[in-house]
Amino acid sequence: QKEVEQDPGPLSVPEGAIVSLNCTYSNSAFQYFMWYRQYSRKGPELLMYTYSSGNKEDGRFTAQVDKSSKYISLFIRDSQPSDSATYLCATIAGGTSYGKLTFGQGTILTVHP
Amino acid sequence: EPEVTQTPSHQVTQMGQEVILRCVPISNHLYFYWYRQILGQKVEFLVSFYNNEISEKSEIFDDQFSVERPDGSNFTLKIRSTKLEDSAMYFCASSGTPGLEDEQFFGPGTRLTVL
Repeated sequence: QKEVEQDPGPLSVPEGAIVSLNCTYSNSAFQYFMWYRQYSRKGPELLMYTYSSGNKEDGRFTAQVDKSSKYISLFIRDSQPSDSATYLCATIAGGTSYGKLTFGQGTILTVHP
Repeated sequence: EPEVTQTPSHQVTQMGQEVILRCVPISNHLYFYWYRQILGQKVEFLVSFYNNEISEKSEIFDDQFSVERPDGSNFTLKIRSTKLEDSAMYFCASSGTPGLEDEQFFGPGTRLTVL
């Protein structure tokens, strides 16, 4: 069973739509959960970071973690064409936030005007 | 704004040749990482490095791979004898910014093509 699974899409939405991106994971040891954004020909850039279960909001972005169902979500409100990118969920196991990131496949998002 | 830089942006090599990929992490960071991404696949962890030694490595990181921090600024990944399947984007990352210790900052990557 893959450690982190993510639907690769592609996902295409109109400008202004609410976007929902999701991942599932299998390892109960994962404690830290991140969402990275990757533009074409660039390295991943951290968007959101949560520890354990709960919600975290930052502007138009909301990250949710449900550890009971091993489910991670990222919501983008009022999506913009500049949000077009690949979105990667990632986790870290154990009691430290340093170390090996385990990534999902990435979801390709296109927001069209 | 500080950033991780990587050179070269694209490296083409013949199978069996040695390559060295170079990274300059953010200057006050303490933790350094290499990841790779084969075209169409996930970003995969290779190795982490702290206090001048490897702290964790994946099963991908076999004897053909090595890392080094030769001076106070550079962090290198060496592949001794490249294989076709080593063709991928290689990303360097660093972390340890006071107050943002958890965030791994990624460089733009080196595209390695093995012919």
